[in-house]
Amino acid sequence: SQQGEEDPQALSIQEGENATMNCSYKTSINNLQWYRQNSGRGLVHLILIRSNEREKHSGRLRVTLDTSKKSSSLLITASRAADTASYFCARARGGADGLTFGKGTHLIIQP
Amino acid sequence: DSGVTQTPKHLITATGQRVTLRCSPRSGDLSVYWYQQSLDQGLQFLIQYYNGEERAKGNILERFSAQQFPDLHSELNLSSLELGDSALYFCASSVVTGEANVLTFGAGSRLTVL
Repeated sequence: SQQGEEDPQALSIQEGENATMNCSYKTSINNLQWYRQNSGRGLVHLILIRSNEREKHSGRLRVTLDTSKKSSSLLITASRAADTASYFCARARGGADGLTFGKGTHLIIQP
Repeated sequence: DSGVTQTPKHLITATGQRVTLRCSPRSGDLSVYWYQQSLDQGLQFLIQYYNGEERAKGNILERFSAQQFPDLHSELNLSSLELGDSALYFCASSVVTGEANVLTFGAGSRLTVL
């Protein structure tokens, strides 16, 4: 099965509300990353959290990591219509190895 | 513009045919990755090259092959195409830092097999 499973599969909220997406994984990681994909376009890197970090912030994004539960969450505060996209978590084992993606959470921000 | 260039953007072909997708990585990136994205399978890792050598293999079919050339551009060859091969194919590149491997994606090549 995919490493890096996002939950929920889809989320619809009102503009201005906060959006929370979760990610679970099964094996050890070097770091975990979140990417955004606008419809039919390439993925864009949002934020990276290392295995020895518990929380990280970038603008309106807040990522947490719980290695004991093998889970991460992405919080987008004060959502905007432009945040409508699919969000993927990706597990990195480190080194030159590629990333393993989940199936993503499709986020819709209602104006 | 991410700096990763993929051509063609769209491709329509028939079953049984062969196509080649091309990727130019971001300047300075030595690693190239190929991913397939379909509605039912999500984003599947196909293959990775690093400085011309195959580095890792994912769920790549035997009908598919890839290579990375000395100028670091890469090509993904898909042969004996089937309807189920219709998907978005993404190329991504990275600067290998040894610790944090952040990928930069191209805009993708959308393949439709009729």
